[in-house]
Amino acid sequence: DAKTTQPPSMDCAEGRAANLPCNHSTISGNEYVYWYRQIHSQGPQYIIHGLKNNETNEMASLIITEDRKSSTLILPHATLRDTAVYYCIVRGPSGTYKYIFGTGTRLKVLA
Amino acid sequence: GAVVSQHPSRVICKSGTSVKIECRSLDFQATTMFWYRQFPKQSLMLMATSNEGSKATYEQGVEKDKFLINHASLTLSTLTVTSAHPEDSSFYICSLTRGGNPEAFFGQGTRLTVV
Repeated sequence: DAKTTQPPSMDCAEGRAANLPCNHSTISGNEYVYWYRQIHSQGPQYIIHGLKNNETNEMASLIITEDRKSSTLILPHATLRDTAVYYCIVRGPSGTYKYIFGTGTRLKVLA
Repeated sequence: GAVVSQHPSRVICKSGTSVKIECRSLDFQATTMFWYRQFPKQSLMLMATSNEGSKATYEQGVEKDKFLINHASLTLSTLTVTSAHPEDSSFYICSLTRGGNPEAFFGQGTRLTVV
């Protein structure tokens, strides 16, 4: 599985956009980029995923560079409830592929 | 609504006893199930993977005789921590995927404390 690297922590002001970067320079052609987040003492929550096109849903946007070696998760209007650890994961297309979690980014949204 | 139900959410047990954690898929037949362990302020560590119709595959360093995983049916997986010791105290999380959909659904986790 490709490894990902993320900054260990970030702060963001409430109401502002939170941009969380992720490097995945060894990603393979059929591997997707997934983002999950974990709020304290809960199971991870799915946010978004993509292959090579940018994606947007009700929670966030995912921007993947053209060479697919990095991506950015954007929370357009961060709220205090978005304070969590955000994990960027690269894995194959089938449900049998493992989810290997890196260290993630601890996002703190400040009032 | 919840897709995965994990039970119990918290358990305290005595050293030397065994503890069973259940993970149920509520909405679909789960073809692959994963079990993770998470220590305080650390990331999730994959313990094992079980695919439909086959035994669990354990990650390196995880003792299969200590952490018994039973993919009992397509909607139920159990993790039994046998002869638990204080160092087994951790947050255990299950995850399920279904055929044709790579998204993983996670349980809410079980906080195990061994005293």
